[in-house]
Amino acid sequence: RKEVEQDPGPFNVPEGATVAFNCTYSNSASQSFFWYRQDCRKEPKLLMSVYSSGNEDGRFTAQLNRASQYISLLIRDSKLSDSATYLCVVNSGYSTLTFGKGTMLLVSP
Amino acid sequence: DGGITQSPKYLFRKEGQNVTLSCEQNLNHDAMYWYRQDPGQGLRLIYYSQIVNDFQKGDIAEGYSVSREKKESFPLTVTSAQKNPTAFYLCASSVIAGGLEETQYFGPGTRLLVL
Repeated sequence: RKEVEQDPGPFNVPEGATVAFNCTYSNSASQSFFWYRQDCRKEPKLLMSVYSSGNEDGRFTAQLNRASQYISLLIRDSKLSDSATYLCVVNSGYSTLTFGKGTMLLVSP
Repeated sequence: DGGITQSPKYLFRKEGQNVTLSCEQNLNHDAMYWYRQDPGQGLRLIYYSQIVNDFQKGDIAEGYSVSREKKESFPLTVTSAQKNPTAFYLCASSVIAGGLEETQYFGPGTRLLVL
């Protein structure tokens, strides 16, 4: 059974804080991984892909641990505009993606 | 501008009525997808299409139908058989169907409400 699990949150952090989200997946055959961001009542937008070696894009760092079947997203120096729901997404190689339910982040002044 | 458009933004359905949601893309993507999102829930796949004139059922296809007569268009019909259609419907597309690095891009969504 395909499954992606995330802590729903919300994670409440002050501006400037560092926050990390984890996501676990059940299908060991999963081949590619993504983080999407979804603002309230809007469509999901790709934040970053997650590669085996880990990757960084500005304040965002994504890591993959295949042995433990989890991926993580680290956000440094949080901004008010980072407030959103972060979706963990896994491609298991069957032409479709499996989405987690998302982790809500609230950044306060 | 390249992108995915969905219309209408809001749609109201009466009991027993079929309604059709539009999805158009000008990204020249091969694959297109329909998802449903309920409050506090993840996206669930309704139907997907990897090529014109072909489509596959997703996890929750019952009560829905689709067509893929053109590469750019993938309309979704919510039939009267769908007993709980109120949800946020999202259309997506991707470059390579079945590719391992298959990034999907989403349209702005349609909110369907039952009167």
